[in-house]
Amino acid sequence: DIQMTQSPSSLSASVGDRVTITCRASQSISSYLNWYQQKPGKAPKFLIYGASSLHSGVPSRFSGSGSGTDFTLTISSLQPEDFATYYCQQSYSIPRSFGQGTKLEIK
Amino acid sequence: EVQLVESGGGLVQPGGSLRLSCAASGFIFSNYWMHWVRQPPGKGLVWVSRSNSDGSSTSYADAVKGRFTISRDNAKNTLYLQMNSLRAEDTGVYYCARAAGFIGRDYYYYALDVWGQGTTVTVSS
Repeated sequence: DIQMTQSPSSLSASVGDRVTITCRASQSISSYLNWYQQKPGKAPKFLIYGASSLHSGVPSRFSGSGSGTDFTLTISSLQPEDFATYYCQQSYSIPRSFGQGTKLEIK
Repeated sequence: EVQLVESGGGLVQPGGSLRLSCAASGFIFSNYWMHWVRQPPGKGLVWVSRSNSDGSSTSYADAVKGRFTISRDNAKNTLYLQMNSLRAEDTGVYYCARAAGFIGRDYYYYALDVWGQGTTVTVSS
């Protein structure tokens, strides 16, 4: 099974900051990497597929990069609505493992 | 409006059973593979199971294999998760999600693009 590891587990930042979250796979997954955002008490929201392609309607301040085993999610200028928990997920093989999550908090 | 609505959660004793349902609307349900994902209290997302579009092919996480069964009724636009021999560690919010395909730069990618609101399962005596 492929293990997904995110870092950091939590992150404090201010509105307007640029933040980067890292996701590492235990083996190469090419670019089969998705990102999701989850707010407390809500279902996850799909953000990015194929490591770098934004889902329809996702603001352009979100971007993703990477391939192989190392990936990043970057938010170029944090907005108040971006404070949430972010998860990566590999779609390369079954089981479709998720990272443990990165909680983005307001500083 | 594309929508998934889960139901069937509740409190069950260890060793008991529960069947979750996920009612789909606003899209052609029979065209999509479907997944179940769970979230233990205060923890992250955990993939549980998936079904192909007609239910003939299914996959499970090791933690639930042999105890959980995913199925679907395309005539009723409904996905199910039959959970048997429940354990305390099965406690959490259970989400159903639609798997959609997206054409990327080099490949065709699948992601969970629509999620239900979740249903809570509590396994406790």
